[in-house]
Amino acid sequence: GAGVSQTPSNKVTEKGKYVELRCDPISGHTALYWYRQSLGQGPEFLIYFQGTGAADDSGLPNDRFFAVRPEGSVSTLKIQRTERGDSAVYLCASSLAGEFTDTQYFGPGTRLTVL
Amino acid sequence: AQSVAQPEDQVNVAEGNPLTVKCTYSVSGNPYLFWYVQYPNRGLQFLLKYITGDNLVKGSYGFEAEFNKSQTSFHLKKPSALVSDSALYFCAVLNSGGYQKVTFGTGTKLQVIP
Repeated sequence: GAGVSQTPSNKVTEKGKYVELRCDPISGHTALYWYRQSLGQGPEFLIYFQGTGAADDSGLPNDRFFAVRPEGSVSTLKIQRTERGDSAVYLCASSLAGEFTDTQYFGPGTRLTVL
Repeated sequence: AQSVAQPEDQVNVAEGNPLTVKCTYSVSGNPYLFWYVQYPNRGLQFLLKYITGDNLVKGSYGFEAEFNKSQTSFHLKKPSALVSDSALYFCAVLNSGGYQKVTFGTGTKLQVIP
């Protein structure tokens, strides 16, 4: 079946602009995660959804970052007033039920460049 | 707090030789441990995980990893390296008593030399 998909694959924007990054999880997966991967680093947790609700958003760096998952499937990560330091690859993952033993399956990522 | 350390930025191994990619972890409870591989311009692919039970875990593409509680390690191994194994490998940990927040290491670049 189809894996996790993310759009766009690349996004270039100017400092101060607003961006939206989309994630389509594997069908039937109730848990969805966003990570940020900076150059030379491992993925860093941002937020975790169980269904429509954000179960843990402790990884969001500040209030410029926000994510939604209104129907419990597709999720959008929103970044306001982008800064050059936001440049990174944003990864989305999903898992079947969000249990500790579940495997997280990752999408290919969106490479965000803030000029 | 939980953390993962991958002490080697890069590992070079000749094709056909055994390979080891090192990982040590720190958690307050029992660990759930994972290995992922990342190929250029692609997302992370799951290789294997340790939840409980046998300390030797077998995964995809002939990889295996050994959980060592006393040394708090979870090293990734393969008996015979292939050139196609060249990629970036990430170890990750989840505290079984905590949240669904996986912590990743900084990654180890594996270079298999023909």
